[in-house]
Amino acid sequence: GAGVSQSPSNKVTEKGKDVELRCDPISGHTALYWYRQSLGQGLEFLIYFQGNSAPDKSGLPSDRFSAERTGGSVSTLTIQRTQQEDSAVYLCASSFLTGGPSDTQYFGPGTRLTVL
Amino acid sequence: AQKITQTQPGMFVQEKEAVTLDCTYDTSDPSYGLFWYKQPSSGEMIFLIYQGSYDQQNATEGRYSLNFQKARKSANLVISASQLGDSAMYFCAMRPYNQFYFGTGTSLTVIP
Repeated sequence: GAGVSQSPSNKVTEKGKDVELRCDPISGHTALYWYRQSLGQGLEFLIYFQGNSAPDKSGLPSDRFSAERTGGSVSTLTIQRTQQEDSAVYLCASSFLTGGPSDTQYFGPGTRLTVL
Repeated sequence: AQKITQTQPGMFVQEKEAVTLDCTYDTSDPSYGLFWYKQPSSGEMIFLIYQGSYDQQNATEGRYSLNFQKARKSANLVISASQLGDSAMYFCAMRPYNQFYFGTGTSLTVIP
């Protein structure tokens, strides 16, 4: 079946603009995760969804960041009033279940965000 | 606190040789999973191998094996017969429950 898809693959925006990043998980996967990866760095956890609810929002860096998931499928990550420090690759991952240690995450190709 | 440590920022290996990438972890949860991911220059994270904390045997997937030493809290990745296409960043991750914790990664370069 199809893997995790993300759009757009690249986004260049001006400081102060809002951006919306989209993630389409693997069909049937109930859990969805967002991460941020700055250049040459590891993965920074942002938020995860179990179905349509987000039990853990602790990783969102500021109130400019928000995310939603509808229909237990597609998720959007919105960054308002973008800043240059928001420039990074935003990775989405999905997994079949939550709560189990063996539940493997599968990643999308990422969205490279550049804020000028 | 949950923690994953990869102490090797960069590694080099000769083509066709084996290489070990180190990973140590810290968790108080008795049940957890350990994962390795590969990230080539294209940027996509590729799942390589999984080891459960209760698994008695080390996991293997083709040329990848996970050297799991529970008492030492280490989960090293061994790549046998390295190929040029193995050049990439490698991330170790741990999942005790709902969240994944990632290490900072090791950059592997395979030399022809």
